[in-house]
Amino acid sequence: GENVEQHPSTLSVQEGDSAVIKCTYSDSASNYFPWYKQELGKRPQLIIDIRSNVGEKKDQRIAVTLNKTAKHFSLHITETQPEDSAVYFCAARLSGGYNKLIFGAGTRLAVHP
Amino acid sequence: NAGVTQTPKFRVLKTGQSMTLLCAQDMNHEYMYWYRQDPGMGLRLIHYSVGEGTTAKGEVPDGYNVSRLKKQNFLLGLESAAPSQTSVYFCASSYSRTAIGAFFGQGTRLTVV
Repeated sequence: GENVEQHPSTLSVQEGDSAVIKCTYSDSASNYFPWYKQELGKRPQLIIDIRSNVGEKKDQRIAVTLNKTAKHFSLHITETQPEDSAVYFCAARLSGGYNKLIFGAGTRLAVHP
Repeated sequence: NAGVTQTPKFRVLKTGQSMTLLCAQDMNHEYMYWYRQDPGMGLRLIHYSVGEGTTAKGEVPDGYNVSRLKKQNFLLGLESAAPSQTSVYFCASSYSRTAIGAFFGQGTRLTVV
C-alpha cells in the first residue's frame, strides 16, 4: 500500500540552531502535504502545509519544501526554541479525492536551552 | 466553537467488552476520520466518512465499526475489545475537496486488559 517514510525518528538540537525533518512518499499522485506538531499528551495540530503546485512555503520560522520529482518534502525550523520541542508528523494526501492522509511515523524533536 | 470533541477521554476495558467512542464536530465538515496512534507508528487511519450516511475502510479497519448517522457525529465501535486495540484514538474532520489539513480531537486513551 501507499506509505510515507519520515526521518529522523529523533532529533536533538541546541536552542537557536536549525532543524530539518524529511519525508518521502510513494503515491506519485499525492497533491497535498501537511505537517503536524504534537506536544506531549495533546492532539496533533496543523502547523504548515504545501500543495503540489508549489515548491516552497514559509511561515515565520517554519518552512516546507517539496520536490515532486523525487517525491520528498521537508520541514525546516530556524532559530529553534525550547517550545518547539514536540513530535512532528508529516502526511501526504492520497489521490482519489477522498482527502485521505497517510502519516509518517513521527520525529521527536528536542530543543535544549 | 468547540471544534472537534471526543468522548470519553480515557477508558479501561476488559477483553471482550464493547464500547463506542463519540466524535462531534461543529464546523460543518463533510469528512470525518478515526485514527489510532501507537508508539513509533504515527497515525493510522481506521475508518473514514465522506458525508452523512457514508463510511469507508482505512488502513487498519479490522475489529472496528463506524457510523455517521448525523453529519456532525462519527461513532467508532469496538464490538469485542482485544489487548491489541490498546491505543490512543483520534478523531479528525476536514473540509471536502479543498484539502485543508484535518482538525483533530483531543484523543481517547483506551486500555484493554
